[in-house]
Amino acid sequence: NAGVMQNPRHLVRRRGQEARLRCSPMKGHSHVYWYRQLPEEGLKFMVYLQKENIIDESGMPKERFSAEFPKEGPSILRIQQVVRGDSAAYFCASSPPRGEGAIQYFGAGTRLSVL
Amino acid sequence: DAKTTQPPSMDCAEGRAANLPCNHSTISGNEYVYWYRQIHSQGPQYIIHGLKNNETNEMASLIITEDRKSSTLILPHATLRDTAVYYCIPINAGNNRKLIWGLGTSLAVNP
Repeated sequence: NAGVMQNPRHLVRRRGQEARLRCSPMKGHSHVYWYRQLPEEGLKFMVYLQKENIIDESGMPKERFSAEFPKEGPSILRIQQVVRGDSAAYFCASSPPRGEGAIQYFGAGTRLSVL
Repeated sequence: DAKTTQPPSMDCAEGRAANLPCNHSTISGNEYVYWYRQIHSQGPQYIIHGLKNNETNEMASLIITEDRKSSTLILPHATLRDTAVYYCIPINAGNNRKLIWGLGTSLAVNP
């Protein structure tokens, strides 16, 4: 049973480009969470999604950031017109539809570098 | 969500028990205490959680005080691979699934 898969592991973008981060949850998991970790800082919640629905996006920046979790395929975190301050590690986690929702399984992260 | 206080760093000798404290004096009655860790450059990893009883699993033990205002994570025989940042997170795991991370404790296990 594969764990949470994130790709790419490393992503380099120039200022103004778009970044797309992908997350495939564990098999049978229908809940996905995105967290961001800025350099030398702690993890910050960004968004919580279920299939085709955004449940809580209270941690998402108001502009340039969006997330989706379609019926088929991985969850996507999209950052438009990236700036240097977006450079960070982005972690995705998943959990099953029932049971202990606060037990989340994390991927290895995508490290975004904006030049 | 309850606020937490953890020592910023701790050291432990390999093979000895590591006892990591967490103060969560404002925890509410329906909030569990969850512990996660993050090994350098990796994604966080769930360790254990509890409500009011002590808990043990293959990774660690969790001791929660009777008044629930603090807890201690115990790694009974620390290894070098346990070097990580450890986070305690009180959470009402019913509907609120987002994890609010503090600064954690950076545990260094020394040979």
